[in-house]
Amino acid sequence: GNSVTQMEGPVTLSEEAFLTINCTYTATGYPSLFWYVQYPGEGLQLLLKATKADDKGSNKGFEATYRKETTSFHLEKGSVQVSDSAVYFCALSDREGGSTLGRLYFGRGTQLTVWP
Amino acid sequence: KAGVTQTPRYLIKTRGQQVTLSCSPISGHRSVSWYQQTPGQGLQFLFEYFSETQRNKGNFPGRFSGRQFSNSRSEMNVSTLELGDSALYLCASSLGLAGPTDTQYFGPGTRLTVL
Repeated sequence: GNSVTQMEGPVTLSEEAFLTINCTYTATGYPSLFWYVQYPGEGLQLLLKATKADDKGSNKGFEATYRKETTSFHLEKGSVQVSDSAVYFCALSDREGGSTLGRLYFGRGTQLTVWP
Repeated sequence: KAGVTQTPRYLIKTRGQQVTLSCSPISGHRSVSWYQQTPGQGLQFLFEYFSETQRNKGNFPGRFSGRQFSNSRSEMNVSTLELGDSALYLCASSLGLAGPTDTQYFGPGTRLTVL
């Protein structure tokens, strides 16, 4: 089946530190991969995505590379800011359709806190 | 383009009551998916509607139901509320097509509290 495993938090960093949040997946097909971010009291915002092996998604200084050989999609940012404090979710969608259409499979989320 | 909207944003109900939540998708999107988010279970898929038809359903009891209208707006209903139904309910819209490019965009959620 489809599943996502991401590192448990919380992660606490100082401003300008380097961030890595690990995400690995199991999929029956060839999925598309996503990172979503959730700020307190809000819904999920799409941060970045990748649809094929070796694709790099990027947005707002965040990057993640679709690694088929290691079934991973780790999120990285070179220099975090206080405003990056949020919960980050890794997710996959099964592009094959059928019984998985319209469904995202999520990791448990990683709480990031950045201190000034 | 306007984003996904959900109403109401907050609801307080008592056990045994029923509730209806509404979701308006991004213009042109025909698929609406619903998720329940709780601290203990994380994000769980409820169901997905496309062109007024339920295409997929998660592992929730029959008390949870939904529908979609011809303008793609969707509602979900929970009957006979239980304390454990307290959660943030998120809807997401997408084009709903199979393939690599389909992407779900989420609304702000409805926070349901059952007393």
